[in-house]
Amino acid sequence: ETGVTQTPRHLVMGMTNKKSLKCEQHLGHNAMYWYKQSAKKPLELMFVYSLEERVENNSVPSRFSPECPNSSHLFLHLHTLQPEDSALYLCASSQDPRTIKNIQYFGAGTRLSVL
Amino acid sequence: QKEVEQNSGPLSVPEGAIASLNCTYSDRVSQSFFWYRQYSGKSPELIMSIYSNGDKEDGRFTAQLNKASQYVSLLIRDSQPSDSATYLCAVNTGNQFYFGTGTSLTVIP
Repeated sequence: ETGVTQTPRHLVMGMTNKKSLKCEQHLGHNAMYWYKQSAKKPLELMFVYSLEERVENNSVPSRFSPECPNSSHLFLHLHTLQPEDSALYLCASSQDPRTIKNIQYFGAGTRLSVL
Repeated sequence: QKEVEQNSGPLSVPEGAIASLNCTYSDRVSQSFFWYRQYSGKSPELIMSIYSNGDKEDGRFTAQLNKASQYVSLLIRDSQPSDSATYLCAVNTGNQFYFGTGTSLTVIP
């Protein structure tokens, strides 16, 4: 148990559905991250929320929408996804991205399948 | 050019041997370097972090950093079957985290 909890663990959705992924961290960290992990590809950083600022990867499609209501909770809202969006979505948190020792701790991930 | 490059493997070593995993990175201003282990179907788990040139040892694991060569390595001594996993190299550059594709390691009993 890393202190980062993701729900649901598995999600199957159609291309017209709207769903949300949830992440909660119990570590008192100040930054939270969404990553996408596809087979044979490096972890892809999608969004970072750090000290109330958001940094995003400009290549992430607008059908992914993050929300961070406070430093402990992070959501990823999904709508009109495509089959190529099927992947493992990982949430992570870290103490302070401004420091060198910015260790990220990962949740168990949500395995998403888009039909 | 990829920010972080790893040999994808698979790398196979016999039980008890030393496994050597390598990683190169492209951004010279990178300051923090991490090795994560990921079992199949699981999330990445931090094994080692290293921030300055040289070696850092923790149990059976040794991380080595050479900033001049932009090279990070992980040595696993006395490899065990439970070490069989994918090992991810990660580099922190400012507000960006870059991961390699991972090296798949199999330790043969």
